[in-house]
Amino acid sequence: NAGVTQTPKFRVLKTGQSMTLLCAQDMNHEYMYWYRQDPGMGLRLIHYSVGEGTTAKGEVPDGYNVSRLKKQNFLLGLESAAPSQTSVYFCASTDGWGPNNEQFFGPGTRLTVL
Amino acid sequence: KQEVTQIPAALSVPEGENLVLNCSFTDSAIYNLQWFRQDPGKGLTSLLLIQSSQREQTSGRLNASLDKSSGRSTLYIAASQPGDSATYLCAVRSYGSNDYKLSFGAGTTVTVRA
Repeated sequence: NAGVTQTPKFRVLKTGQSMTLLCAQDMNHEYMYWYRQDPGMGLRLIHYSVGEGTTAKGEVPDGYNVSRLKKQNFLLGLESAAPSQTSVYFCASTDGWGPNNEQFFGPGTRLTVL
Repeated sequence: KQEVTQIPAALSVPEGENLVLNCSFTDSAIYNLQWFRQDPGKGLTSLLLIQSSQREQTSGRLNASLDKSSGRSTLYIAASQPGDSATYLCAVRSYGSNDYKLSFGAGTTVTVRA
């Protein structure tokens, strides 16, 4: 199993450009998440999905959109990138929400917006 | 809102010394607590998950304790090695949250000197 993979690993954008980050998992997990990690702030949830065809906002959703057309994929879109979106983006998934269910993380996408 | 704090932000120890990493959280109504390891430029690797009904979990040289009533968890790493150098993050899942997310601390960056 590849686990959770993310594409691309690095990207540099100019202000106003758009892009899509792809997350894929091969563990048949229902729940998927997009977090961003900024220095000194830990990880913050952007959007999440509790199953194919569903999406919901997390704590910092502004400027981002997501789609979950297939169970194994979760896409994060930036329609008009801003320097404040310079960050490291992590995708995660879990197969349930019981007390013993772990979240599994991808390797991250490092995004710089100039 | 759940707030998770990790102090200190950075720690440097000589090889062989035991490591003690602290995590505190403001809302004791948690489902579980997870400790992660993050190497520079990499994703998060789950180390230990402690359910709210448990007091501790052990894996090899790692031992994590949980005192839910006081809102604290401690990660102990015995006989530290240079390969233990990384950032360690704790995360909690709280009861009553609708977004299924984990609340993360900002992490403790550990350097083990050879």
